[in-house]
Amino acid sequence: GDSVTQMEGPVTLSEEAFLTINCTYTATGYPSLFWYVQYPGEGLQLLLKATKADDKGSNKGFEATYRKETTSFHLEKGSVQVSDSAVYFCALTLILNNAGNMLTFGGGTRLMVKP
Amino acid sequence: KAGVTQTPRYLIKTRGQQVTLSCSPISGHRSVSWYQQTPGQGLQFLFEYFSETQRNKGNFPGRFSGRQFSNSRSEMNVSTLELGDSALYLCASSLGLASSGANVLTFGAGSRLTVL
Repeated sequence: GDSVTQMEGPVTLSEEAFLTINCTYTATGYPSLFWYVQYPGEGLQLLLKATKADDKGSNKGFEATYRKETTSFHLEKGSVQVSDSAVYFCALTLILNNAGNMLTFGGGTRLMVKP
Repeated sequence: KAGVTQTPRYLIKTRGQQVTLSCSPISGHRSVSWYQQTPGQGLQFLFEYFSETQRNKGNFPGRFSGRQFSNSRSEMNVSTLELGDSALYLCASSLGLASSGANVLTFGAGSRLTVL
């Protein structure tokens, strides 16, 4: 079945450090890929997405490129802030035959940024 | 525009009881999906409703059920609660149409259920 694997956390960085969170996937079809972020006590917020190979999703300084050849969608940010501390989830979805969709999530990576 | 609203935000039940959770989607969204989030199993898909019909279902026992009303609001029900049902239940809405490309899900803040 479809699956998403992301690096386990927690990832602890100092402010202004470079961030990479690895994400790889296995899918039977051609998925769309997402990064969601969850702040304490809240639901999930879409951070960025990519729908086809070589697409780069970007938002709030975060970027991820859809790499079909390596089945990866690694999240990067050049300079993290304390406010980026959260749990990050990589996810995929396939548009099903009945036009439904459901997300398959990775296990989440907790990021802690220290001042 | 208003986001996805879930009620109640927190609730405590005892084993054997049942619970109903509610989700109001973004206006115009016809698809509502439910997810269970636990520390051990992570985020798992429960089911998706579109135009009052269950369109997809995850791998959960029959104690977990749901429905969707004509105004797209959705409820999920868990009967005969077990300790392992303690979780954050997240609802997400989307347009739900294949023609809209990669359907982006917008999540609510969740309902945190504790089973004692």
